[in-house]
Amino acid sequence: DSGVTQTPKHLITATGQRVTLRCSPRSGDLSVYWYQQSLDQGLQFLIQYYNGEERAKGNILERFSAQQFPDLHSELNLSSLELGDSALYFCASSVGGGLAGVRVYTDTQYFGPGTRLTVL
Amino acid sequence: GENVEQHPSTLSVQEGDSAVIKCTYSDSASNYFPWYKQELGKRPQLIIDIRSNVGEKKDQRIAVTLNKTAKHFSLHITETQPEDSAVYFCAARSGRGFNKFYFGSGTKLNVKP
Repeated sequence: DSGVTQTPKHLITATGQRVTLRCSPRSGDLSVYWYQQSLDQGLQFLIQYYNGEERAKGNILERFSAQQFPDLHSELNLSSLELGDSALYFCASSVGGGLAGVRVYTDTQYFGPGTRLTVL
Repeated sequence: GENVEQHPSTLSVQEGDSAVIKCTYSDSASNYFPWYKQELGKRPQLIIDIRSNVGEKKDQRIAVTLNKTAKHFSLHITETQPEDSAVYFCAARSGRGFNKFYFGSGTKLNVKP
């Protein structure tokens, strides 16, 4: 168990709908990262938050958005869902995540168990 | 941005043999390189990592080597066991800007008993 929790574990919804995925980082971790993993694919980085602020953006669609709350948990919102959005969504957390080169020793990421999203 | 390439995409070895997975990266400023093991339907789990100021790191049957000049790093698994069968991902942490990770496309390792 990595200490990172994600809810729900499974989510089945219809095209056009909106869902919210939730992630709680390990105690003490300030950064949360979101990744999408489609069937038999690699991990696509979506977005990173550090202590409540957006820090880095990857291949995140405009229909997707995220935020990190004062208690450091994060939510990923997916709207106008399409069949192709069906995937495993992972969040990961790390202690650091600020400017590269600062506190390099704290940048190990630990992954949550994932949320499997099925869009029908 | 960074680009991480991983080879091979699939690897089949006999139990007891060694397995080597290779990754190359493009950004010379990348400074941290973790390896993850992912079993079917489960989370990626960190198995070993190496920082740019180190050339090699070993943990029991697993080792990682880093060649900064050539911009490649490799995962070595010795005395493979059936439970090593999984998908392995390499990653590179960007040395520019904020903490951003780039993942390889994964290697499916099959260890035959």
